[in-house]
Amino acid sequence: AQSVTQLDSQVPVFEEAPVELRCNYSSSVSVYLFWYVQYPNQGLQLLLKYLSGSTLVKGINGFEAEFNKSQTSFHLRKPSVHISDTAEYFCAVTAEGQGFSFIFGKGTRLLVKP
Amino acid sequence: NAGVTQTPKFRILKIGQSMTLQCTQDMNHNYMYWYRQDPGMGLKLIYYSVGAGITDKGEVPNGYNVSRSTTEDFPLRLELAAPSQTSVYFCASSWPGSGNTIYFGEGSWLTVV
Repeated sequence: AQSVTQLDSQVPVFEEAPVELRCNYSSSVSVYLFWYVQYPNQGLQLLLKYLSGSTLVKGINGFEAEFNKSQTSFHLRKPSVHISDTAEYFCAVTAEGQGFSFIFGKGTRLLVKP
Repeated sequence: NAGVTQTPKFRILKIGQSMTLQCTQDMNHNYMYWYRQDPGMGLKLIYYSVGAGITDKGEVPNGYNVSRSTTEDFPLRLELAAPSQTSVYFCASSWPGSGNTIYFGEGSWLTVV
């Protein structure tokens, strides 16, 4: 079975500062990893995903994440945040070959302050 | 492309009432899901389906029922609503052929009073 831990429930940051949202996972098999963003009163939309290949994955809105197998991590980063990045961010994992068993973290609320 | 569509978006139920949350997707995905989201608790899987006629329980199925008569539709039925079912409900779909990405609806806000 897989599990996901998002280490921070809330991350406050000033506008134009860099940010890192942390995600660790556990699994006994190979995994696919995802980051989703949820803006207030909306559904979740895909930011980026790692399926295979390059461990540095670039997504929408200037976000990127790095898959680190040895540390079982998939941290999300952005070099300079905007007020509009204020949202809830969810890390998710699914095992290769088990396309229906997505496991989501509890979410990290990114609060960008002016 | 509409993606995953849920209705209604908002609903207030009285304790003991029943209702159905509708979900339809137009991406021809075989896999569909119902999640509930409570503050600070992330997403919890209620039921999922891997194809028409096949459903299975997720983490929190009690008090809910589903059916999957077509590939497109996956309604969620709440029987005898309880205050503990006050939550935001998300329908989603996926298929390995789409890069294994799960696509979500906009959510249904349900309050049981």
